[in-house]
Amino acid sequence: DTGVSQDPRHKITKRGQNVTFRCDPISEHNRLYWYRQTLGQGPEFLTYFQNEAQLEKSRLLSNRFSAERPKGSFSTLEIQRTEQGDSAMYLCASSLDSEETQYFGPGTRLLVL
Amino acid sequence: SQQGEEDPQALSIQEGENATMNCSYKTSINNLQWYRQNSGRGLVHLILIRSNEREKHSGRLRVTLDTSKKSSSLLITASRAADTASYFCATDPDTGRRALTFGSGTRLQVQP
Repeated sequence: DTGVSQDPRHKITKRGQNVTFRCDPISEHNRLYWYRQTLGQGPEFLTYFQNEAQLEKSRLLSNRFSAERPKGSFSTLEIQRTEQGDSAMYLCASSLDSEETQYFGPGTRLLVL
Repeated sequence: SQQGEEDPQALSIQEGENATMNCSYKTSINNLQWYRQNSGRGLVHLILIRSNEREKHSGRLRVTLDTSKKSSSLLITASRAADTASYFCATDPDTGRRALTFGSGTRLQVQP
């Protein structure tokens, strides 16, 4: 399967702990996006990369959040000092520069206790 | 923040019936896309319609776009139990950003 993969699929953590999620995009997709989805809502944009460059960050991305894509392939999203309000599904998507369609991974569901 | 609203928020129909979902948005767009999400899973791209298109078909799906009213509709014909899912519209703004803005979704239940 050559789709977008995310790891882990589920994460339970205690408030105040740091967590890191990984996303592997479809190979050759140079754009990579992170979204957050809370229960009953649509996904909300967090940030996106073109190759290794982080081109845009949403206001939702507080200074506790950091995303990287060091070699322009996989990406990591780290949340420091997690809060209960961080509980959500974190979705990664990728696309080609020339295409408008974004292909989503299965998501990482985070629960902060 | 969400770009717009989907209507209805929830829809329950019998297998074989048609399902229509509506989406309204607020800003100028490059294109509008519809995605499906099965419970607790990632999103699957269904169809994309560009701002200069008015209607598009893909299998049992028919999408319309009215840019003057900033609205779109998704019609699923001859629904099946497997169509049970949440459906989201997402707009791609004409600013070159490519960050999609999603609505809050319509939860479709197709009864067998």
